[in-house]
Amino acid sequence: GENVEQHPSTLSVQEGDSAVIKCTYSDSASNYFPWYKQELGKRPQLIIDIRSNVGEKKDQRIAVTLNKTAKHFSLHITETQPEDSAVYFCAANRAGSARQLTFGSGTQLTVLP
Amino acid sequence: DTGVSQDPRHKITKRGQNVTFRCDPISEHNRLYWYRQTLGQGPEFLTYFQNEAQLEKSRLLSDRFSAERPKGSFSTLEIQRTEQGDSAMYLCASSPGGGSQPQHFGDGTRLSIL
Repeated sequence: GENVEQHPSTLSVQEGDSAVIKCTYSDSASNYFPWYKQELGKRPQLIIDIRSNVGEKKDQRIAVTLNKTAKHFSLHITETQPEDSAVYFCAANRAGSARQLTFGSGTQLTVLP
Repeated sequence: DTGVSQDPRHKITKRGQNVTFRCDPISEHNRLYWYRQTLGQGPEFLTYFQNEAQLEKSRLLSDRFSAERPKGSFSTLEIQRTEQGDSAMYLCASSPGGGSQPQHFGDGTRLSIL
């Protein structure tokens, strides 16, 4: 089955700096890669996603890049703000199932004011 | 609020009891998913419905777990003879049909087994 590894597990940055979170996946047939933000005690919220026919996608301060050859994808947050502090999860759909998502273990991002 | 709603938010029960959770998806979404999340981990897929049909089940879903979506709208997840290891957050998500679509999560039901 699919295996998704996420690094780092914790990340602290100064307000205004950039943050990068990286994920690798095992199955080359995976073709959908969403990112979720989860604040303490709240639901995971989809913040951006990318499909395998695209190498990069941006939405304001958030961008995701995908390298299909290396089987890794990254989340980039620029001009970080304290409200960006949360746990971020990457995910990939399981080969053979467009619907099952396999999640990484999460990155606790702390933006220091 | 037209998001995914789950009930109850918290459930505390004794080991061996049965529990049932409910999920109401976003109204126009025909796909519904159940995930389980333990502390410090990402959600783990349990099962998936397209309309009323349960199309995929994880090996995590033991015989004690059963899920239904009888009319293709709300869904229930039942756990029979609960065990300590069942303590987790149970998350429901929904999405539109057609290929890989964004899944939108509810707030979850936190289950604690005494």
